[in-house]
Amino acid sequence: NAGVMQNPRHLVRRRGQEARLRCSPMKGHSHVYWYRQLPEEGLKFMVYLQKENIIDESGMPKERFSAEFPKEGPSILRIQQVVRGDSAAYFCASSRGGAGANVLTFGAGSRLTVL
Amino acid sequence: SQQGEEDPQALSIQEGENATMNCSYKTSINNLQWYRQNSGRGLVHLILIRSNEREKHSGRLRVTLDTSKKSSSLLITASRAADTASYFCATDNFGNEKLTFGTGTRLTIIP
Repeated sequence: NAGVMQNPRHLVRRRGQEARLRCSPMKGHSHVYWYRQLPEEGLKFMVYLQKENIIDESGMPKERFSAEFPKEGPSILRIQQVVRGDSAAYFCASSRGGAGANVLTFGAGSRLTVL
Repeated sequence: SQQGEEDPQALSIQEGENATMNCSYKTSINNLQWYRQNSGRGLVHLILIRSNEREKHSGRLRVTLDTSKKSSSLLITASRAADTASYFCATDNFGNEKLTFGTGTRLTIIP
């Protein structure tokens, strides 16, 4: 069981470019969550998706950020026209979902650096 | 806004001592969880306590929950160098599956 796979692990972009971060959930998990972490800080919730549906995007900035979880393939977090403030570690987590306690399995993260 | 606030922000203790971290939250919760993050890595789930539970044990970990004070504590007994990490509490609310994380406690175990 490969767990939650994120790629790329490190991404460098210049201001104005696009960043695409990918996340393959753990086998058997249908719920995906994206979090952002700035250095020495906690995780800030961004978005929660199930296959082909965005369930909660209350943590997503209104502009430039989008997320999808298609029927086939990984979940994608897309950041358009990146700015220096987007530099952070972006973590994906997955869970089985359903009733009961929601324990998340995290990926190793994608570290975005905007020059 | 962050649901959870951990204290202390940083804690350094000698190997073999016990480490206690606290978490306070603002709104009613369904479950509270603790996660560990080693430097540069993703978070790893440690233990979950439900809102109707008061105490839970797992190996060297002991978690308490006081819903009247909206607080939880994580105790790590007989600490080891490998326990050096950041520890986060996370809560979820009834009818809302997303987890909201606290600000974390950075624990350093001195060999």
